[in-house]
Amino acid sequence: GESVGLHLPTLSVQEGDNSIINCAYSNSASDYFIWYKQESGKGPQFIIDIRSNMDKRQGQRVTVLLNKTVKHLSLQIAATQPGDSAVYFCAENIGTGTASKLTFGTGTRLQVTL
Amino acid sequence: GAGVSQSPSNKVTEKGKDVELRCDPISGHTALYWYRQSLGQGLEFLIYFQGNSAPDKSGLPSDRFSAERTGGSVSTLTIQRTQQEDSAVYLCASSPHSQYGYTFGSGTRLTVV
Repeated sequence: GESVGLHLPTLSVQEGDNSIINCAYSNSASDYFIWYKQESGKGPQFIIDIRSNMDKRQGQRVTVLLNKTVKHLSLQIAATQPGDSAVYFCAENIGTGTASKLTFGTGTRLQVTL
Repeated sequence: GAGVSQSPSNKVTEKGKDVELRCDPISGHTALYWYRQSLGQGLEFLIYFQGNSAPDKSGLPSDRFSAERTGGSVSTLTIQRTQQEDSAVYLCASSPHSQYGYTFGSGTRLTVV
């Protein structure tokens, strides 16, 4: 069935380096994608989103890249900090208009080492 | 309120008992979602409410699960005759009518013993 998945379950990065978290999606009709960050014991927190008519979007220290040709999404975190340690989920929107529903991948754990 | 509020934050129940989980969405958000997150897993969609429309119940795993949303605001997820496999974190999220981004609550951690 349709699914959203992640290439790496755990990513270890040194403080100050850049992090890249990857995600593959399979629903070519998806028109909206979101990255969430989940810290231990908390609900997922919105980081950044991108619509399918774009291929890049930047936020504060984060950039999301979308490659629709190969159905690939990535989250880049610049100058990774210890506070970035968390599980990161990509999600794709399935459904039209206001009947949207997000499908989530299994997550990538980002570990920031000092 | 300022965020999505869920209660209780933790619930331990005996197998076979019924439980009710509550979600209080952000004021004015017409869309409300329930997801389930098992240990080390992603988020599994359960049910979706949008305004006065019939809810999308396509993710409910069995007829032991039900949810309602009263007055377009507070929602209650009920699990009857709980089983050990129901142990998980149950997350609620809400969003404005015309936007896609969700705001999640902190979840209810359910443990069935």
